[in-house]
This record gives sequence, C-alpha cells and structure tokens, in this order.
Amino acid sequence: DGGITQSPKYLFRKEGQNVTLSCEQNLNHDAMYWYRQDPGQGLRLIYYSQIVNDFQKGDIAEGYSVSREKKESFPLTVTSAQKNPTAFYLCASSGAGRPQETQYFGPGTRLLVL
Amino acid sequence: SQKIEQNSEALNIQEGKTATLTCNYTNYSPAYLQWYRQDPGRGPVFLLLIRENEKEKRKERLKVTFDTTLKQSLFHITASQPADSATYLCALALYNFNKFYFGSGTKLNVKP
Repeated sequence: DGGITQSPKYLFRKEGQNVTLSCEQNLNHDAMYWYRQDPGQGLRLIYYSQIVNDFQKGDIAEGYSVSREKKESFPLTVTSAQKNPTAFYLCASSGAGRPQETQYFGPGTRLLVL
Repeated sequence: SQKIEQNSEALNIQEGKTATLTCNYTNYSPAYLQWYRQDPGRGPVFLLLIRENEKEKRKERLKVTFDTTLKQSLFHITASQPADSATYLCALALYNFNKFYFGSGTKLNVKP
C-alpha cells in the first residue's frame, strides 16, 4: 500500500529532552511537510522540504529541526528549546508542480510532556 | 500575512439536509483552494480542489464554489449523513509558493 507512515503514535517527552518524530512516504513525492495542530486551531507549518538535502522554515520553526537525507524520509526533532511542545504533529507529502497540489497526510503523532 | 477564516462554531444539521461550510480569506489571491476532512485523532484527508479560474467543482455529494471577488469558498454536502460528521478544513495555495495555509476548521455534526 502506498502512503505516509508516522511513528510513534504517542510520544512522551521529559523536561530538557530532545525527541524525534518519524515520517516515511512511499508515494515517490518530492515535497514533504511538518505541521503542528493545537486544539481548535488550524495546521501551522513547521518545516517543509521540496527536494532531498534542502528544507525551509515554516511559520513556527523555532525549537524544531529537520533533515532530508532521503526522498522517503523527513524526521522532525523537537528540541528542548521548544517550551510548549504538547500538540498533534502531522507529516504530509505532495507531488511535483508549482504550486503543488494535493497533500497526503500521515496519521499523526501526539506529543505529550511528562 | 495570509489569513483564513472558518466558522469556529460547530454546524449542527439534520440527516438529509444540505450542509454549507464557509471559508474566507484575506490579502493575497490564491492559486487554488482545497477542502479536507479530518476525523478526531487522525490526519486530514483531501476532498476537493478548486482553481481560481473555476467557479464550481463537484464530486458525488460534494460541491465547492470559489468567489474571488468575495474572497470566499463555500463547501456543500448534499443529502448529508451521520457519517459525514467530522471537521472540515480549507487550505489555500499561492502562486509561486510551495506551502499551504490552513483554516482552523469547522466541525459538522449530522444528526439522524
């Protein structure tokens, strides 16, 4: 089956700890995105990548980091600098084109702070 | 910056009626608008896309309209069913930009 997978489904972070959320896609999409969703709010863009080894900051990149070493993978690290990390994190991908069209979303990772 | 507004209040309708959801935007003119469905605890699922030069798009019981003068898109679900209950998000994409701007979504409750 083609699609996007995210793991883990739930993630707990201790104070001062960095945690990494996984995102993998087998849709052969060039572009990948990370969003954060808080209750009652829309999706806010953290980082996005149009091509391997390249990525750009979104609207709320502070306290987060990413890498894009492979086309299929776009992991997100929530660093200790992110003071309010509790949220639902969504990874998405889309095909080529400018502007790019349909985004396919993963099932999400819910991050909680202990 | 781009601002997208969707009615934050839940829309409650009776089964069989038509649900109409609104998406308003400010500032820039989007290349196209998209509508997504999101169920609790899950990622959004793409439903429909409408380009700026299109007035209306249909897919089965779904219809989207796009009024660039009013800066508004309407999303209709005809003959609504309880299974249509979910949060619906609109998103827009600008020309020459590679990212999307999402509204906060409107929750639809269809009662049997």
